[in-house]
Amino acid sequence: AAGVIQSPRHLIKEKRETATLKCYPIPRHDTVYWYQQGPGQDPQFLISFYEKMQSDKGSIPDRFSAQQFSDYHSELNMSSLELGDSALYFCASSFTGTISYEQYFGPGTRLTVT
Amino acid sequence: GQQLNQSPQSMFIQEGEDVSMNCTSSSIFNTWLWYKQDPGEGPVLLIALYKAGELTSNGRLTAQFGITRKDSFLNISASIPSDVGIYFCAGHSSGAGSYQLTFGKGTKLSVIP
Repeated sequence: AAGVIQSPRHLIKEKRETATLKCYPIPRHDTVYWYQQGPGQDPQFLISFYEKMQSDKGSIPDRFSAQQFSDYHSELNMSSLELGDSALYFCASSFTGTISYEQYFGPGTRLTVT
Repeated sequence: GQQLNQSPQSMFIQEGEDVSMNCTSSSIFNTWLWYKQDPGEGPVLLIALYKAGELTSNGRLTAQFGITRKDSFLNISASIPSDVGIYFCAGHSSGAGSYQLTFGKGTKLSVIP
C-alpha cells in the first residue's frame, strides 16, 4: 500500500538559512499534519491542513509557514533557521471522511542546522 | 491542554516475556491509538480503538480502550527482538474541535535475546 512520502530524508543547513520540506500524503487522504520531534521526545504538533485550508495550529514558530497545494501535497517552509530547529520533521496524513483520527506518518526529514 | 501519562518510561525484558504498558489521562478521550517508532523512522500505527471497553488485537499485540475512557493499555505477548522500539499512545479528546492528537511521552522497550 502507498505510504506518506517525505523529501528530502536528510537536510543540512546553516544558521539563518531557509529550508523547505515536502510531503506527499497517502492517495485520497485529505488532511496533512506536520510534527517536530526532538531527540528523546514525543512528536510535537506544528500545523495541519484539511482540503488545502489550515485546519489547526500547534506550536509552530512564526519563522515557519506551511501550505497544502491542489494535489494535496504540502510544504513546510522554515526561515532564519536556528540551531534548536535541528530535529526530525514528520508529515502525517489521514482521511477524515469517515471521521477517522488515524494518522499515518511518513519516514521523516532529519534536519540538521549547523 | 490535554496530557497523556504513559508508563513505564522504559523497560528491559527477556525475549519471550509478555509486556504491558499504559496511558492515562485526566480528560475523556474518544479515540486511542498506539504507535511504534524505530530509531530515525516515522511512527507506525499499530492499533486504533474507538469504543470504551473495546479490546482489539493485531497479531501478538492487544490493546484495550478503558471503560472510563481515560486510559488505554497495550500488551505484547511472547516478545521478540524486533519488538524493540518506542511505543507511543495517542488520543483524540472528546470535545476537541480538530483532529489533533495528543501523544504520550513514549515507552522505550528493550528485548534481551
